[in-house]
Amino acid sequence: EAGVTQFPSHSVIEKGQTVTLRCDPISGHDNLYWYRRVMGKEIKFLLHFVKESKQDESGMPNNRFLAERTGGTYSTLKVQPAELEDSGVYFCASSPSFLWGYTFGSGTRLTVV
Amino acid sequence: KNEVEQSPQNLTAQEGEFITINCSYSVGISALHWLQQHPGGGIVSLFMLSSGKKKHGRLIATINIQEKHSSLHITASHPRDSAVYICAVRSTTYSGGGADGLTFGKGTHLIIQP
Repeated sequence: EAGVTQFPSHSVIEKGQTVTLRCDPISGHDNLYWYRRVMGKEIKFLLHFVKESKQDESGMPNNRFLAERTGGTYSTLKVQPAELEDSGVYFCASSPSFLWGYTFGSGTRLTVV
Repeated sequence: KNEVEQSPQNLTAQEGEFITINCSYSVGISALHWLQQHPGGGIVSLFMLSSGKKKHGRLIATINIQEKHSSLHITASHPRDSAVYICAVRSTTYSGGGADGLTFGKGTHLIIQP
């Protein structure tokens, strides 16, 4: 079974540019989560999809962040325009239901310079 | 104060030592996860607990729901165990982790020296 795939693995962009991160969950996992870890801090929840619907986006820091999951398969997280404080590692995780554990992706390390 | 506290933050030990990492939480939970993150790597889920104890190889995880405390133990530690170990909880009430997401501790950075 393929795991959760994220790409790119690394991205370095200039402040003001746009970056799109992608997450491919495990096939059949309806639940998809985005998390972020900024330097020195704990991992923080960003949002949760159930299929293509946003179940909870209370963790999204501001309106520069836009997440989509068209068709309920892969998800994208766009940051536009990127700011320095957006630097960190963005993790995606998927789960078949809340009764089961999570499978995490390897993360995307975003550096905004 | 973070809702999930881990201790120690950093731990260096010699190969073969018995390792204990602790996690305390302040919210009601439906499940607690222990995760492992290697340098430059992704996150691997080690255990998901809601009660009692689980064992996998040299790893043992325990949880005491009444005391809101969990421990991760590593027996006969090895340099390849060096990683960041993260405790995360799924709370029964909204606590910033999203309705069904996780709230994370800051992690314990473990180094096992040969």
